Amino acid sequence: DAEITQSPRHKIIETGRQVTLACHQTWNHNNMFWYRQDLGHGLRLIHYSYGVHDTNKGEVSDGYSVSRSNTEDLPLTLESAASSQTSVYFCASSLLNRGPNEQFFGPGTRLTVL
Amino acid sequence: KQEVTQIPAALSVPEGENLVLNCSFTDSAIYNLQWFRQDPGKGLTSLLLIQSSQREQTSGRLNASLDKSSGRSTLYIAASQPGDSATYLCAVSTSGTYKYIFGTGTRLKVLA
Repeated sequence: DAEITQSPRHKIIETGRQVTLACHQTWNHNNMFWYRQDLGHGLRLIHYSYGVHDTNKGEVSDGYSVSRSNTEDLPLTLESAASSQTSVYFCASSLLNRGPNEQFFGPGTRLTVL
Repeated sequence: KQEVTQIPAALSVPEGENLVLNCSFTDSAIYNLQWFRQDPGKGLTSLLLIQSSQREQTSGRLNASLDKSSGRSTLYIAASQPGDSATYLCAVSTSGTYKYIFGTGTRLKVLA
């Protein structure tokens, strides 16, 4: 079955370290998204991509970067992790067309920055 | 800027009760609206999606309605069960983009 996976599921890192969170989908969806979820803020969009080599900033993109070298993957990199980036990170995907644009979510990565 | 609000933030009801969860949005130029369920420590599961041209969608005991002109959507859950306990999130995508803006959710507890 087609699916969307994230790895690792849990990660603890020290302040200032670089970390990359992986997101892989097998639906052949054009659109991919990264969100963070924090108490009191709901889900907020970090970065998104509408296709290979396309990346765009969301509302909370500072300190994060993404690259899209193929359809299946959109890795999220924290260049120099800060304690404020402790959060649960969700990846999502949807199909680029004029249809429903239903979003499907991965299981999430819980990141702790000490 | 689109803003999405969900009221109430938390709700506790006895089993068997019919209930309504509310979602409001500030910009009526939406492409679609999606309702999700999130269990503690888990990802989001899509429940219903309503396109801007539709008024409602139904799936089993769930019915979602959309009133674009008033900027509102409701999720109706019939004959609630303890297994319905979860956080329910609504999200809207604005015309011209594929991005979703999320509300902060309603945490539902159904008591046996």
